[in-house]
Amino acid sequence: SQQGEEDPQALSIQEGENATMNCSYKTSINNLQWYRQNSGRGLVHLILIRSNEREKHSGRLRVTLDTSKKSSSLLITASRAADTASYFCSENAGNMLTFGGGTRLMVKP
Amino acid sequence: DVKVTQSSRYLVKRTGEKVFLECVQDMDHENMFWYRQDPGLGLRLIYFSYDVKMKEKGDIPEGYSVSREKKERFSLILESASTNQTSMYLCATGLAGGYQETQYFGPGTRLLVL
Repeated sequence: SQQGEEDPQALSIQEGENATMNCSYKTSINNLQWYRQNSGRGLVHLILIRSNEREKHSGRLRVTLDTSKKSSSLLITASRAADTASYFCSENAGNMLTFGGGTRLMVKP
Repeated sequence: DVKVTQSSRYLVKRTGEKVFLECVQDMDHENMFWYRQDPGLGLRLIYFSYDVKMKEKGDIPEGYSVSREKKERFSLILESASTNQTSMYLCATGLAGGYQETQYFGPGTRLLVL
């Protein structure tokens, strides 16, 4: 299976700023999911957007999906130091998920 | 809440040793997965199982085997550990279905093979 790619690989911002991470994928998806991973821990599911949706919100998270460009973005608004983590997109094209390499986000207090 | 536990957080083994990593879930999920995570490579699927005694190879099954004798338990076995198997190993579970929904991850096992 082919992995998608997150961009940027690393992002450093100040607390209160917005963070935008992008993901490109390769297959025709059923849905696309975003996960978060704190250092040395497992992944935690954040949000899922289906292939027929264009935008989805959950708290301070906003996800967009452009199936024509095979891309998605994750926006975290009003970032906090506790948002410091790695963020992964995952494309679902069947009965498995394929994960990208992740974006390492650092939010400085 | 779904709870996925892994038998060890950290493990140090020697080359050639047989290594067992165990994953246990308490949510009656049909699907269970083993990934390894390496810097710059993201998560790569090793094996998955969609039912007791059933298994499917993922992207990188070489050097690994798995066992699922009970629904709640999925074991990853390194028959003869090698240094290139030093990695973070993550177990995940999910509901059955044609289209995979959310996966729930364990805390991970960081394995060092000397």
